[in-house]
Amino acid sequence: DAGVIQSPRHEVTEMGQEVTLRCKPISGHNSLFWYRQTMMRGLELLIYFNNNVPIDDSGMPEDRFSAKMPNASFSTLKIQPSEPRDSAVYFCASSLRTGAGGYEQYFGPGTRLTVT
Amino acid sequence: GEDVEQSLFLSVREGDSSVINCTYTDSSSTYLYWYKQEPGAGLQLLTYIFSNMDMKQDQRLTVLLNKKDKHLSLRIADTQTGDSAIYFCAERVVKLIFGTGTRLQVFP
Repeated sequence: DAGVIQSPRHEVTEMGQEVTLRCKPISGHNSLFWYRQTMMRGLELLIYFNNNVPIDDSGMPEDRFSAKMPNASFSTLKIQPSEPRDSAVYFCASSLRTGAGGYEQYFGPGTRLTVT
Repeated sequence: GEDVEQSLFLSVREGDSSVINCTYTDSSSTYLYWYKQEPGAGLQLLTYIFSNMDMKQDQRLTVLLNKKDKHLSLRIADTQTGDSAIYFCAERVVKLIFGTGTRLQVFP
């Protein structure tokens, strides 16, 4: 398997523009997570999905952020309008969640977003 | 509340052992994890321990769990320059709560 695929790897945009980050989870995984990593705040969970349904979006900073998972093999994280403080590395991760207990998350390589 | 804390930096000489420490607050954590992040890459799971265990060994890695004190440690034996990375511990309480990460620097 190719692992979790994210695109683009780097994105530079101007303040006020819309940004869309994309993620393809590992085939067969049923949970998907969006994280944001900055020096100041570390790694933050933004939102996660189980079976394409958003379960917890309490980490989404504000209404400018939205995430969708239209099917099991694709998810997007959209920021509209973008602001300089959104500059960060955004990671997508997927896992196979079972009822038995622990599960590991596989991370993508991340998208480095710079908003000027 | 949920809070996972780690020291920010650790510097060791090649060949020595490294010990990275972590404290967590939620006693209902079922699993605890160690992830490694190399520069420019995502996090990679190194190992995990179930909360009813107190030790787990996996080649050069040893995980110790003190549930009473809510303390988790990762020992890397014979540390190599390739082990230089940021190490995150995480507790699982429904979702994963990550620590701040410990940057391990290995010098010759």
